[in-house]
Parts: sequence; structure tokens; C-alpha cells
Amino acid sequence: EAGVAQSPRYKIIEKRQSVAFWCNPISGHATLYWYQQILGQGPKLLIQFQNNGVVDDSQLPKDRFSAERLKGVDSTLKIQPAKLEDSAVYLCASSSPGRNTEAFFGQGTRLTVV
Amino acid sequence: GNSVTQMEGPVTLSEEAFLTINCTYTATGYPSLFWYVQYPGEGLQLLLKATKADDKGSNKGFEATYRKETTSFHLEKGSVQVSDSAVYFCALSGGTSYGKLTFGQGTILTVHP
Repeated sequence: EAGVAQSPRYKIIEKRQSVAFWCNPISGHATLYWYQQILGQGPKLLIQFQNNGVVDDSQLPKDRFSAERLKGVDSTLKIQPAKLEDSAVYLCASSSPGRNTEAFFGQGTRLTVV
Repeated sequence: GNSVTQMEGPVTLSEEAFLTINCTYTATGYPSLFWYVQYPGEGLQLLLKATKADDKGSNKGFEATYRKETTSFHLEKGSVQVSDSAVYFCALSGGTSYGKLTFGQGTILTVHP
């Protein structure tokens, strides 16, 4: 079974530029999550999708971050404009429908804002 | 809100040593508890889980027991190997969605031959 795919693996941008990350979840997984992992910290949930609807985006900085999940499959996370403090690894995870199902994580995109 | 606190790291051990990584949590209700591992260059992987008090999760020689009275979920392994070198994260899920996780800050484990 193919895992969660993310791209790009690495990205370096200047502050105030925009950037987008892409995630392709495991086939059949209805739930998709984006996490932000700052160096030396544990991952923090940014947004959760169920199919193409947002379940929880309470931790998403909506003034600069946006996310969408077209057709309930792939998802894109965008930052515009980026700040230095956005430097982190952005992790995508997905899980199958139902209760108590494990989440599977991608390898992440490492963003450096200079 | 929910929170997870892991012991200060990093941890450095010799091969075959005993490992303990402490984890305590704060949560309302009855959360499920997890240990995730991140090997160098790889994504997060679920190592083990426990979904109710006194449950013991185990996998690959690692164990952790859900202690509600002490709000703890310490990770242990009797004899570590070089291949266990990784970052270990304790996490909890407050609902039925096991992907909606609150993580601790992670503990870097390095095992020397």
C-alpha cells in the first residue's frame, strides 16, 4: 500500500513570499490532517479535513495560511506571505473512515524562510 | 486544554541498556495515548498505543502502560539496540479520531554500540 505522499521535500523562500505544499493521502482515507512541526517541538495540528470539508481549523493562522482539499482527495496548504517563524516541517497525515483508526504520516516538507 | 509533557532530552545509552522515557499528560475525559517514533529521514510512525486505563501497549520490545492515577504513559525497553536511535513522541487523542493528536516535544534517543 502506498503511503502518504508529500511534495516538495524541501523549500527555501524569502520572507513575504508565498509557498504551497501538496499532499496525496492513502487511497480511501477520508480524513486528512496538516501538522506544523517547529524544530525541537512536537507536531501541532493546523487543520483537519473530513472528505472535502473542514472539521477543525482552530489552530490555523487564517490571516496567512489557507488549505483546501479538492474532491476529497489531494490537499494543498498555502502560506502567503511567509514569516521567519513559519520555518518548520509541515506534515500531512491521513486516516480511514470510522472510529479509532490510526493516522499515517507523510515524510513532510521542510520549509526554511530567510 | 490537552497537553503532553515528555522528559527533557536527549538520551544517550549504550547498546543493551534499559530505556525509560517519561511522559505525563493533562486531558479532560478519557484520552487514548500513543508513542510515535521518527527515524532519521523518515516520517512519523505509530509505535504503540493504549486506549483505556491500565492498558499496556507493546511493539518491537517497547512497552508503555496507561496509568490514569498518575496521568502517565512512560515508554520502556529492556535492551536497546543501535537501530532504536530515533526521536520518540508521546501523544494523546481526546476523541474518536486518532489522527487528531496533541504531541509532546519529543525525546532524541541515541544508542551507541
